[in-house]
Amino acid sequence: GENVEQHPSTLSVQEGDSAVIKCTYSDSASNYFPWYKQELGKRPQLIIDIRSNVGEKKDQRIAVTLNKTAKHFSLHITETQPEDSAVYFCAADSWGKFQFGAGTQVVVTP
Amino acid sequence: GAVVSQHPSWVICKSGTSVKIECRSLDFQATTMFWYRQFPKQSLMLMATSNEGSKATYEQGVEKDKFLINHASLTLSTLTVTSAHPEDSSFYICSARGNGDNQPQHFGDGTRLSIL
Repeated sequence: GENVEQHPSTLSVQEGDSAVIKCTYSDSASNYFPWYKQELGKRPQLIIDIRSNVGEKKDQRIAVTLNKTAKHFSLHITETQPEDSAVYFCAADSWGKFQFGAGTQVVVTP
Repeated sequence: GAVVSQHPSWVICKSGTSVKIECRSLDFQATTMFWYRQFPKQSLMLMATSNEGSKATYEQGVEKDKFLINHASLTLSTLTVTSAHPEDSSFYICSARGNGDNQPQHFGDGTRLSIL
Protein backbone atom coordinates (compact mmCIF):
# COMPACT_ATOMS: atom_id res chain seq x y z
CA GLY A 1 0.00 0.00 0.00
CA GLU A 2 0.85 3.67 -0.09
CA ASN A 3 3.25 5.10 2.47
CA VAL A 4 3.62 8.85 2.95
CA GLU A 5 6.45 10.40 4.92
CA GLN A 6 6.32 14.04 5.98
CA HIS A 7 9.09 16.30 7.29
CA PRO A 8 9.70 18.17 9.45
CA SER A 9 7.42 17.24 12.33
CA THR A 10 7.70 20.74 13.78
CA LEU A 11 8.63 24.01 12.13
CA SER A 12 9.12 27.33 13.84
CA VAL A 13 9.41 30.41 11.63
CA GLN A 14 9.53 34.15 12.14
CA GLU A 15 6.58 36.11 10.82
CA GLY A 16 7.28 37.12 7.25
CA ASP A 17 9.64 34.23 6.54
CA SER A 18 8.85 31.24 4.33
CA ALA A 19 7.92 27.74 5.45
CA VAL A 20 8.51 24.57 3.47
CA ILE A 21 7.10 21.13 4.25
CA LYS A 22 8.16 18.07 2.29
CA CYS A 23 6.44 14.75 1.67
CA THR A 24 7.46 11.59 -0.12
CA TYR A 25 5.21 8.78 -1.27
CA SER A 26 5.80 5.21 -2.35
CA ASP A 27 3.00 4.26 -4.77
CA SER A 28 3.78 5.46 -8.28
CA ALA A 29 0.08 5.03 -9.16
CA SER A 30 -0.87 7.90 -6.81
CA ASN A 31 -1.94 10.87 -8.87
CA TYR A 32 -3.63 13.36 -6.55
CA PHE A 33 -1.99 15.15 -3.65
CA PRO A 34 -3.97 17.44 -1.33
CA TRP A 35 -2.71 19.50 1.58
CA TYR A 36 -4.81 20.12 4.67
CA LYS A 37 -4.50 22.62 7.51
CA GLN A 38 -5.86 21.63 10.90
CA GLU A 39 -6.16 24.03 13.81
CA LEU A 40 -6.41 22.60 17.30
CA GLY A 41 -9.71 20.77 17.83
CA LYS A 42 -11.03 21.66 14.40
CA ARG A 43 -11.59 19.96 11.10
CA PRO A 44 -8.83 19.56 8.51
CA GLN A 45 -9.36 22.12 5.77
CA LEU A 46 -8.14 21.73 2.21
CA ILE A 47 -5.72 24.53 1.39
CA ILE A 48 -4.31 23.42 -1.94
CA ASP A 49 -4.05 20.31 -4.07
CA ILE A 50 -2.15 19.16 -7.12
CA ARG A 51 -2.78 16.52 -9.72
CA SER A 52 -0.06 14.49 -11.32
CA ASN A 53 -0.30 16.18 -14.71
CA VAL A 54 1.19 19.42 -13.37
CA GLY A 55 4.41 20.18 -11.57
CA GLU A 56 3.46 23.29 -9.64
CA LYS A 57 0.39 25.13 -8.46
CA LYS A 58 0.12 28.43 -6.65
CA ASP A 59 -2.64 30.17 -4.73
CA GLN A 60 -1.61 33.54 -3.30
CA ARG A 61 0.95 32.81 -0.55
CA ILE A 62 0.68 29.05 -0.88
CA ALA A 63 2.30 26.87 -3.53
CA VAL A 64 2.77 23.16 -4.04
CA THR A 65 5.37 21.46 -6.21
CA LEU A 66 5.32 17.86 -7.38
CA ASN A 67 8.16 15.71 -8.69
CA LYS A 68 6.60 12.46 -9.91
CA THR A 69 9.90 10.93 -10.87
CA ALA A 70 11.30 11.33 -7.39
CA LYS A 71 7.90 10.78 -5.77
CA HIS A 72 7.95 13.83 -3.60
CA PHE A 73 5.87 16.96 -3.23
CA SER A 74 6.27 20.07 -1.14
CA LEU A 75 4.18 22.85 0.37
CA HIS A 76 5.57 26.37 0.35
CA ILE A 77 4.09 29.18 2.42
CA THR A 78 5.55 32.63 1.82
CA GLU A 79 5.27 35.75 3.99
CA THR A 80 4.04 33.68 6.92
CA GLN A 81 1.57 35.23 9.34
CA PRO A 82 0.56 34.19 12.89
CA GLU A 83 -2.72 32.78 11.54
CA ASP A 84 -0.70 30.26 9.51
CA SER A 85 0.14 28.51 12.79
CA ALA A 86 -1.50 25.06 12.66
CA VAL A 87 -0.79 21.44 11.84
CA TYR A 88 -0.40 20.74 8.15
CA PHE A 89 -0.99 17.30 6.62
CA CYS A 90 -0.01 16.11 3.18
CA ALA A 91 -1.82 13.20 1.58
CA ALA A 92 -1.56 10.96 -1.44
CA ASP A 93 -4.60 9.48 -3.13
CA SER A 94 -4.00 5.77 -3.61
CA TRP A 95 -6.86 3.87 -5.24
CA GLY A 96 -9.44 6.32 -3.94
CA LYS A 97 -8.17 6.44 -0.36
CA PHE A 98 -5.97 9.08 1.18
CA GLN A 99 -2.80 8.12 2.97
CA PHE A 100 -1.88 11.02 5.24
CA GLY A 101 1.53 12.11 6.37
CA ALA A 102 2.26 12.36 10.08
CA GLY A 103 1.72 16.12 10.10
CA THR A 104 3.86 19.22 10.62
CA GLN A 105 3.23 21.57 13.52
CA VAL A 106 3.96 25.06 12.18
CA VAL A 107 4.46 27.88 14.67
CA VAL A 108 4.77 31.41 13.34
CA THR A 109 6.25 33.78 15.90
CA PRO A 110 5.62 37.53 15.64
CA GLY B 1 -19.83 24.76 -1.16
CA ALA B 2 -18.79 21.24 -0.09
CA VAL B 3 -20.02 21.45 3.49
CA VAL B 4 -19.98 18.37 5.69
CA SER B 5 -21.91 18.34 8.95
CA GLN B 6 -21.05 15.91 11.74
CA HIS B 7 -23.06 15.34 14.92
CA PRO B 8 -22.71 15.20 17.78
CA SER B 9 -19.56 17.20 18.33
CA TRP B 10 -19.01 15.87 21.83
CA VAL B 11 -20.21 12.79 23.68
CA ILE B 12 -19.56 11.59 27.20
CA CYS B 13 -21.13 8.30 28.18
CA LYS B 14 -20.75 5.28 30.39
CA SER B 15 -18.87 2.16 29.44
CA GLY B 16 -21.08 -0.32 27.59
CA THR B 17 -23.16 2.33 25.85
CA SER B 18 -23.51 2.41 22.09
CA VAL B 19 -22.90 5.77 20.43
CA LYS B 20 -24.10 6.86 17.00
CA ILE B 21 -22.35 9.57 15.00
CA GLU B 22 -23.89 11.13 11.91
CA CYS B 23 -22.10 12.59 8.91
CA ARG B 24 -24.03 14.56 6.31
CA SER B 25 -22.98 16.24 3.10
CA LEU B 26 -25.13 19.36 2.98
CA ASP B 27 -24.69 20.71 -0.52
CA PHE B 28 -23.35 17.86 -2.60
CA GLN B 29 -23.91 14.17 -3.12
CA ALA B 30 -21.23 12.11 -1.47
CA THR B 31 -20.55 8.96 -3.42
CA THR B 32 -17.99 7.94 -0.85
CA MET B 33 -17.62 8.75 2.82
CA PHE B 34 -14.69 7.98 5.05
CA TRP B 35 -14.37 7.54 8.79
CA TYR B 36 -11.16 8.40 10.57
CA ARG B 37 -9.88 8.25 14.10
CA GLN B 38 -7.38 10.79 15.35
CA PHE B 39 -5.40 10.55 18.57
CA PRO B 40 -3.92 13.69 20.16
CA LYS B 41 -1.05 15.15 18.15
CA GLN B 42 -1.26 12.34 15.62
CA SER B 43 -2.36 11.95 12.05
CA LEU B 44 -5.67 10.78 10.67
CA MET B 45 -6.08 7.00 10.72
CA LEU B 46 -8.56 5.68 8.20
CA MET B 47 -11.00 3.27 9.79
CA ALA B 48 -13.34 2.49 6.91
CA THR B 49 -14.63 3.60 3.55
CA SER B 50 -18.32 3.56 2.80
CA ASN B 51 -20.11 3.81 -0.50
CA GLU B 52 -23.81 4.53 -0.72
CA GLY B 53 -25.88 1.38 -0.76
CA SER B 54 -23.05 -1.06 -0.18
CA LYS B 55 -21.16 -2.51 2.74
CA ALA B 56 -18.32 -0.53 4.21
CA THR B 57 -14.73 -1.56 3.61
CA TYR B 58 -12.77 -1.66 6.85
CA GLU B 59 -9.05 -1.12 7.25
CA GLN B 60 -6.91 -3.84 8.72
CA GLY B 61 -7.25 -4.05 12.47
CA VAL B 62 -10.61 -2.25 12.65
CA GLU B 63 -13.38 -4.43 14.11
CA LYS B 64 -16.41 -4.18 11.86
CA ASP B 65 -18.72 -5.51 14.57
CA LYS B 66 -17.45 -2.84 16.92
CA PHE B 67 -17.71 0.06 14.50
CA LEU B 68 -20.91 -0.29 12.50
CA ILE B 69 -21.13 1.90 9.43
CA ASN B 70 -24.25 2.61 7.42
CA HIS B 71 -24.36 4.72 4.27
CA ALA B 72 -28.05 4.75 3.50
CA SER B 73 -28.13 7.71 1.13
CA LEU B 74 -25.85 9.93 -0.92
CA THR B 75 -25.86 12.51 1.85
CA LEU B 76 -25.75 10.50 5.07
CA SER B 77 -23.39 8.02 6.67
CA THR B 78 -23.47 6.89 10.29
CA LEU B 79 -20.87 5.32 12.54
CA THR B 80 -22.08 3.42 15.59
CA VAL B 81 -19.55 2.53 18.25
CA THR B 82 -21.13 -0.49 19.91
CA SER B 83 -20.63 -1.29 23.58
CA ALA B 84 -18.06 1.45 23.90
CA HIS B 85 -15.22 1.13 26.41
CA PRO B 86 -12.67 3.68 27.65
CA GLU B 87 -10.14 2.59 25.02
CA ASP B 88 -12.61 3.71 22.35
CA SER B 89 -12.30 7.29 23.58
CA SER B 90 -10.93 9.37 20.73
CA PHE B 91 -11.66 12.04 18.14
CA TYR B 92 -13.71 10.54 15.29
CA ILE B 93 -13.95 12.49 12.08
CA CYS B 94 -15.76 11.82 8.84
CA SER B 95 -15.14 13.06 5.35
CA ALA B 96 -17.11 13.01 2.15
CA ARG B 97 -16.12 13.05 -1.47
CA GLY B 98 -18.16 13.65 -4.58
CA ASN B 99 -18.13 11.65 -7.74
CA GLY B 100 -15.11 11.45 -10.01
CA ASP B 101 -11.42 10.77 -9.69
CA ASN B 102 -8.88 12.98 -7.96
CA GLN B 103 -11.37 14.82 -5.81
CA PRO B 104 -10.67 16.28 -2.38
CA GLN B 105 -12.26 14.94 0.76
CA HIS B 106 -14.27 17.45 2.77
CA PHE B 107 -14.21 16.91 6.50
CA GLY B 108 -16.81 17.22 9.22
CA ASP B 109 -16.03 18.98 12.50
CA GLY B 110 -15.34 15.70 14.27
CA THR B 111 -16.82 14.05 17.35
CA ARG B 112 -14.92 13.90 20.59
CA LEU B 113 -15.96 10.68 22.32
CA SER B 114 -15.19 10.13 25.99
CA ILE B 115 -16.15 6.83 27.60
CA LEU B 116 -16.13 6.77 31.39
